[in-house]
Amino acid sequence: GENVEQHPSTLSVQEGDSAVIKCTYSDSASNYFPWYKQELGKRPQLIIDIRSNVGEKKDQRIAVTLNKTAKHFSLHITETQPEDSAVYFCAASIRGYQKVTFGTGTKLQVIP
Amino acid sequence: GAVVSQHPSWVICKSGTSVKIECRSLDFQATTMFWYRQFPKQSLMLMATSNEGSKATYEQGVEKDKFLINHASLTLSTLTVTSAHPEDSSFYICSARGGAGANVLTFGAGSRLTVL
Repeated sequence: GENVEQHPSTLSVQEGDSAVIKCTYSDSASNYFPWYKQELGKRPQLIIDIRSNVGEKKDQRIAVTLNKTAKHFSLHITETQPEDSAVYFCAASIRGYQKVTFGTGTKLQVIP
Repeated sequence: GAVVSQHPSWVICKSGTSVKIECRSLDFQATTMFWYRQFPKQSLMLMATSNEGSKATYEQGVEKDKFLINHASLTLSTLTVTSAHPEDSSFYICSARGGAGANVLTFGAGSRLTVL
């Protein structure tokens, strides 16, 4: 089955700096890669996703890149703000297939 | 957008009792729902896939007799933790695909179970 690895497990950045979280996946058939943000005690919320037919997608301060050959994808947050502090999960799945495999999570702390 | 309602949010029960958690898709039909378990500071672990009108598909290592799943309608799936023990204490979250984009998973708010 699919295996998703995520690094780092914790990340501290100064407010205004950029944060990068990296994930790798094992199943070359995976072609849909969402990223979720989970605040303490709350539900995961989709923040951005990317499909395998594109290499990069951007939404304001958040961007995701995908390298299908290397089977890795990354989340980039620029101009970080304290409200960006949360746990971020990457995930991988096959479009049209039900199962989504999550990474182990990255706890991001933005220091004011 | 798609909304998934889950309740109860919090439940405390005595060891040996059973607890039922409900997951509802409010504005869409979900033929499939997913149940996850999340331990503190850990990732979301898929427990089972709930299929409307048929038996749930359980992940390896998940006891189907312990975690009963029923998906009797297109908008409701229930997870019953039977004969709960303290080690069952955890955060349980359901999710479903719906709304704009069939690949997007929408999560319920989660249910924190504490077994005394």
